[in-house]
Amino acid sequence: EAQVTQNPRYLITVTGKKLTVTCSQNMNHEYMSWYRQDPGLGLRQIYYSMNVEVTDKGDVPEGYKVSRKEKRNFPLILESPSPNQTSLYFCASSFRGFGGYGYTFGSGTRLTVV
Amino acid sequence: KNQVEQSPQSLIILEGKNCTLQCNYTVSPFSNLRWYKQDTGRGPVSLTIMTFSENTKSNGRYTATLDADTKQSSLHITASQLSDSASYICVVSANTNAGKSTFGDGTTLTVKP
Repeated sequence: EAQVTQNPRYLITVTGKKLTVTCSQNMNHEYMSWYRQDPGLGLRQIYYSMNVEVTDKGDVPEGYKVSRKEKRNFPLILESPSPNQTSLYFCASSFRGFGGYGYTFGSGTRLTVV
Repeated sequence: KNQVEQSPQSLIILEGKNCTLQCNYTVSPFSNLRWYKQDTGRGPVSLTIMTFSENTKSNGRYTATLDADTKQSSLHITASQLSDSASYICVVSANTNAGKSTFGDGTTLTVKP
């Protein structure tokens, strides 16, 4: 089944403890992206990747890092999480950029930083 | 600045009724417009993708229209079902940046029996 898999689905952590949220797709998509969703604010882009070893900032990149060493994986790294990073996170992939092929989204990761 | 505005913010309708959701955008130069359905706590799922030359596109009971001249799109839902209760998100991409799209804040639709 074609899908984007995020792990974990739920995570509670403490301020300052480094964490990684994994994202993997099995559709050979070139484009991958991370979003956060907060009540009343809609989806906001954190980082995106047009292909392996090519990443760029979205609208809200502060406090996050990403890497794209393999085509299928695009992990989101929080080096020192803070409570304002408590949010619902989504990973998405697409055949190419420009959105013309539509995005396939993962099921989401609900992160709570205390 | 590229913007996507959706209206209404929320909508409540009775099962079996039709409804129309609106999306106005200022994204330029226009590449495509997509509508997504997002169930609470789940990832968005694509409903339609429309390019500049397309005026209407249907997906079952969902019909999207696009007026590129006025920069408006609508999503019409026919014979609504309880399972249509969700947030509907309009997303617009420009030709100038392949990696970024502009997301609307969504319309929350509640279908009541």
